[in-house]
Amino acid sequence: DAGITQSPRHKVTETGTPVTLRCHQTENHRYMYWYRQDPGHGLRLIHYSYGVKDTDKGEVSDGYSVSRSKTEDFLLTLESATSSQTSVYFCAISVQDDHGYTFGSGTRLTVV
Amino acid sequence: AQKITQTQPGMFVQEKEAVTLDCTYDTSDPSYGLFWYKQPSSGEMIFLIYQGSYDQQNATEGRYSLNFQKARKSANLVISASQLGDSAMYFCAMRPNTGNQFYFGTGTSLTVIP
Repeated sequence: DAGITQSPRHKVTETGTPVTLRCHQTENHRYMYWYRQDPGHGLRLIHYSYGVKDTDKGEVSDGYSVSRSKTEDFLLTLESATSSQTSVYFCAISVQDDHGYTFGSGTRLTVV
Repeated sequence: AQKITQTQPGMFVQEKEAVTLDCTYDTSDPSYGLFWYKQPSSGEMIFLIYQGSYDQQNATEGRYSLNFQKARKSANLVISASQLGDSAMYFCAMRPNTGNQFYFGTGTSLTVIP
């Protein structure tokens, strides 16, 4: 199985503070994704990357930025966290076409 | 526009019975993949089954099968012989072959009753 880890697993932060979530993969998969999961919305794409320094926006990218300086790491940053960004964040990689994504374990972020 | 619809927010099934979770999709792409994922209460997302839009036969993986009706744009998941461990959220997803993004439904919460 492709190794994919997210950190931290849980975080509570205050409104207005910056927050960075990390996704790390142990294999050289080109594509990496950040999703957020909210009740009643399923999973929605925030940003994705198709290579080092190559990123693009998803459907809910406002308030988020990403960076990928190394193949194995994909960082998601909330520049100034808001309560609407309280969510569970999943990182994913695309391993095999007929298996879809492999997901990280998720990060539960609470903005108070 | 791509859209996945799961109209059953919650479902109950008796242990050892079969259950069908509904999924319809909308896409203008001629080629796409359909997926089902399971999310137990522990939170991880687990891949269950895949169906390609040009596959002639319905996909099966153990107790899971995908009832694919292309003309109706439906991709229902059938779980046979339900077990208590099947209690979880289930998400339907689609990936157009022209891109890499997945589109997810809102999920169905399945509870298996002993």
